[in-house]
Amino acid sequence: GENVEQHPSTLSVQEGDSAVIKCTYSDSASNYFPWYKQELGKGPQLIIDIRSNVGEKKDQRIAVTLNKTAKHFSLHITETQPEDSAVYFCAASGNSGNTPLVFGKGTRLSVIA
Amino acid sequence: GAVVSQHPSRVICKSGTSVKIECRSLDFQATTMFWYRQFPKQSLMLMATSNEGSKATYEQGVEKDKFLINHASLTLSTLTVTSAHPEDSSFYICSAVPGFTEAFFGQGTRLTVV
Repeated sequence: GENVEQHPSTLSVQEGDSAVIKCTYSDSASNYFPWYKQELGKGPQLIIDIRSNVGEKKDQRIAVTLNKTAKHFSLHITETQPEDSAVYFCAASGNSGNTPLVFGKGTRLSVIA
Repeated sequence: GAVVSQHPSRVICKSGTSVKIECRSLDFQATTMFWYRQFPKQSLMLMATSNEGSKATYEQGVEKDKFLINHASLTLSTLTVTSAHPEDSSFYICSAVPGFTEAFFGQGTRLTVV
């Protein structure tokens, strides 16, 4: 089955700097890669996703890149703000709505004002 | 985005009792919903896939007689933790997918068994 590795487990950046979180996956059949932000005591919130027919996607300060050959994808947050502090999870799955997500172990991001 | 509502958000129960957690898709129909469990500072672990009108599919190591799942309609799935024990204390989260698009998650349920 699918295995998703996520690094780093913790990340501290100064406000205004960029943050990069990287994930690798094992199943070449996976073609959907979402990123979730989870705040304490809450469910995960989708922040951006990418499908295998796209190499890069951007939404304001957030971008995701995908390298299918190397089986890795990354989250980039620019101009970080204190409210970006949270745990971020990457995930991977097949394209079917019946296919569950496999999550990475998460990255605790701290943005220092 | 689509809304998934989970209830209750917090529950405390006595050891040996059963607890039911509801997961509703408010503005879409979901033939499939997923139940995850999350321990403190850990990732989400898939427990089971809930299929409307049929039996749930459980992940290896998850006791189906302990974690009863019922997906009685296209907008509601329930997870019942039977004969709960302190080791069942955890954060339970459901998700649903509108069609073939992204998955949306409920707010989670913090279960504490005392």
